Amino acid sequence: EVQLVESGGGLVQPGGSLRLSCAASGFTLSNYVIYWVRQAPGKGLEWVSGINGSGKSTYYADFVKGRFTMSRDTPKNTLYLQMSSLAVEDTATYYCVKGVRPIFGGIIAQYWGQGTLVTVSS
Amino acid sequence: NFMLTQPHSVSESPGKTVTISCTASGGSISTNYVQWYQQRPGGAPTTVIYEDDQRPSGVPDRFAGSIDSSSNSASLTISGLKPEDEADYYCQSYDDSEPWVFGGGTKLTVL
Repeated sequence: EVQLVESGGGLVQPGGSLRLSCAASGFTLSNYVIYWVRQAPGKGLEWVSGINGSGKSTYYADFVKGRFTMSRDTPKNTLYLQMSSLAVEDTATYYCVKGVRPIFGGIIAQYWGQGTLVTVSS
Repeated sequence: NFMLTQPHSVSESPGKTVTISCTASGGSISTNYVQWYQQRPGGAPTTVIYEDDQRPSGVPDRFAGSIDSSSNSASLTISGLKPEDEADYYCQSYDDSEPWVFGGGTKLTVL
């Protein structure tokens, strides 16, 4: 059974940093691209970042480039999203999402985690 | 720009069949795959259809996806409606310049 379990969310001040984790199980990470997708309160879904199956290439939405870094620890089957220079507009629930193939292209989300809430506020 | 448009809301009675449309503009709906996501109130999104008509493991076959090139639209059909199907449904696709193109969402009410 595919499972994605996010953690690491919480309250952080503007300008601060936070690292989210996503523990993956039930599939082989190297065979699939993994995405982070976020949803601000009452808003729609926004793609944030992706990492391909090899773990060698990462991709980011323009609004997080230079601030967020996605990485992977293959032996631990865990993905990370390091977020810095956080702004109030980054307040959202962040979801870890499994794709259907190893190469990043158009996003095709197959399985979702339950999400972790990040609140940026002073 | 490639865009996807959904009806704001639909409603139907339990046991009936409902179809939610997703109309493309600025490109062909059949060029790239379409996905459908369900989000119940207060819950995380789940995928009910990916790659136009594929169901992830655990999604009942009451959910079906299709593409109609003539109307440049995708459809999600839910048959044998149940109260737990009441949710927001989003269609999603992509194009050469945008990896994530999202419909505005349709609120399904099961009366």
